[in-house]
Amino acid sequence: AQTVTQSQPEMSVQEAETVTLSCTYDTSESNYYLFWYKQPPSRQMILVIRQEAYKQQNATENRFSVNFQKAAKSFSLKISDSQLGDTAMYFCAFMSGTYKYIFGTGTRLKVLA
Amino acid sequence: NAGVTQTPKFRVLKTGQSMTLLCAQDMNHEYMYWYRQDPGMGLRLIHYSVGEGTTAKGEVPDGYNVSRLKKQNFLLGLESAAPSQTSVYFCASRTGGNGELFFGEGSRLTVL
Repeated sequence: AQTVTQSQPEMSVQEAETVTLSCTYDTSESNYYLFWYKQPPSRQMILVIRQEAYKQQNATENRFSVNFQKAAKSFSLKISDSQLGDTAMYFCAFMSGTYKYIFGTGTRLKVLA
Repeated sequence: NAGVTQTPKFRVLKTGQSMTLLCAQDMNHEYMYWYRQDPGMGLRLIHYSVGEGTTAKGEVPDGYNVSRLKKQNFLLGLESAAPSQTSVYFCASRTGGNGELFFGEGSRLTVL
């Protein structure tokens, strides 16, 4: 069975600084997708960034980028130039051909002014 | 656009009562999911559906039933509610391919 592990329950970062959130996963499949989702205090979950496992190039979306290490089964999220609006719970997620969409336990990020 | 709509948003039940949560999506998505969110445990998959008339078990299916009679609706039922089912429930849907999930706003259920 697939599992997703986020080992950092809470993190904080100063505004304008860079922070990295960690995620590891376990699977025996070779083709899959990885995601980072953001859940602001309002509770609406939104997609931040996605990575296809067959792509070696790390995904980037503006200030958000990932470090995808397939062999190590690691998928970290880097947030550059952190903003107060980045304060949220961040979830790492995994999806494969079984259509199950599995989430980690989340990292609560607080951006400090 | 409405997107994914969950009803009700809040509900308080007594132990042993039954209820149904309704999820409706207007994006013609094939796949739909029910999750529960508990502090320190993240989002756990209860059941999911890959198309109209199909359902499958997720990580924590016990105590829940689901139905997908219409493509746009995915119902989550609690036949005999227990305090352990106190949680925030999220519905989500997606198309195939890129896999982005679209979430509802959540339903807070309290079982006394």
